[in-house]
Amino acid sequence: DIQMTQSPSSLSASVGDSLTITCRASQSISNYLNWYQQKPGKAPKLLIFGASNLQGGVPSRFSGRGYGTDFTLTITNLQPEDFAAYYCQQNHLIPFTFGQGTKLEIK
Amino acid sequence: EVQLVESGGTLVQPGGSLRLACAASGFTVSSKNMNWVRQAPGKGLEWVSVIYTGGSTYYADSVKGRFTISRDTSKNTLYLQMNSLRGEDTAVYYCARDSGDWPSFDYWGQGTLLTVSS
Repeated sequence: DIQMTQSPSSLSASVGDSLTITCRASQSISNYLNWYQQKPGKAPKLLIFGASNLQGGVPSRFSGRGYGTDFTLTITNLQPEDFAAYYCQQNHLIPFTFGQGTKLEIK
Repeated sequence: EVQLVESGGTLVQPGGSLRLACAASGFTVSSKNMNWVRQAPGKGLEWVSVIYTGGSTYYADSVKGRFTISRDTSKNTLYLQMNSLRGEDTAVYYCARDSGDWPSFDYWGQGTLLTVSS
């Protein structure tokens, strides 16, 4: 199975900050990497697919990069509604594994 | 408008069985690859199973041989039959649609909670 490792597991930031979350795959997954946002008690929401493509309706302050094994999710100008958990996921090979998540909290 | 609505979650004893349902609207379940993803209380997301448009099915090792994914096109509903349930199966279960344009889960249901406990 492909292991997905996110870092950090949690971080604190303030409104207006910029930050980057990283996701590393245990083997190459090309660009079959997606990012999801999940708020407490809610279903996950697709943010970015194919490593760098913004899902429709997602603000442009979210961006993704990477290929192969190393990927990043960057959020600029953090807004109050961005404080949530973020998960990467590979859809290259079954099982479609998720990273362990990054919890973004307000400082 | 695409909607996914799960149902069936409840309290079940270890060793028991249960079937979850995911009613779809705004598209046909047979036209998209459909998945089940679960989340144990306070934990991360775990992919469980997929049924492809062609009917092929795949499972996480943790549920293989115990869970069965299926769909009923007449009811436009996805199912997850779960047998030999264990405490570690306790989770919120989400159905999720693959977008079809790129492997990714573009629509999710609200989730249904399964608790396995005596």
